[in-house]
Amino acid sequence: AQSVTQLGSHVSVSEGALVLLRCNYSSSVPPYLFWYVQYPNQGLQLLLKYTSAATLVKGINGFEAEFKKSETSFHLTKPSAHMSDAAEYFCAVSLFLSGSARQLTFGSGTQLTVLP
Amino acid sequence: KAGVTQTPRYLIKTRGQQVTLSCSPISGHRSVSWYQQTPGQGLQFLFEYFSETQRNKGNFPGRFSGRQFSNSRSEMNVSTLELGDSALYLCASSLEGRGNTEAFFGQGTRLTVV
Repeated sequence: AQSVTQLGSHVSVSEGALVLLRCNYSSSVPPYLFWYVQYPNQGLQLLLKYTSAATLVKGINGFEAEFKKSETSFHLTKPSAHMSDAAEYFCAVSLFLSGSARQLTFGSGTQLTVLP
Repeated sequence: KAGVTQTPRYLIKTRGQQVTLSCSPISGHRSVSWYQQTPGQGLQFLFEYFSETQRNKGNFPGRFSGRQFSNSRSEMNVSTLELGDSALYLCASSLEGRGNTEAFFGQGTRLTVV
């Protein structure tokens, strides 16, 4: 079974400051890992994914994440926060089940506030 | 290419009624999954369909059901609605194959049960 833990349900940063959102996973097999962003009353938008290629993954809007197997972590970072980054962020792990059946397991989410 | 389309965007239903939500996947995507999002439970997997067959199911009561049509469009149905079914229901579509790992989500249907 797989699970995801996001540390910090709320994170506040100043505009221009570093964004760091934490995600730890538990998986019995090599995982596929994702970060999604959700704006109010919207669906989920994929920011980036890790699928066992490069451990440093670059995504959209200047975000990146580093897969660290020894720490079972997949933290999301952005060097300089922008007001438009204010949203809720979800880390997710995907497990391919029998055949190609798939299922995403999400963390509880981190609400990012960007202060002017 | 059009994204995942969910209809309707908003619904208000009375306790005890039933509801049907619709999802049109991205063209060429044959895997469709449904998720429920609530403030208390977060995002939870409901079920996945592929080639008109339910391939995987989450831990929800039998009041929650779904189906997929030959054109990959999917519907989910909730019968005998309860107040706790109020949630954002999200549909996601994916390409088949282990190399195609990401799911693309629609805008969701906001269901309010009163």
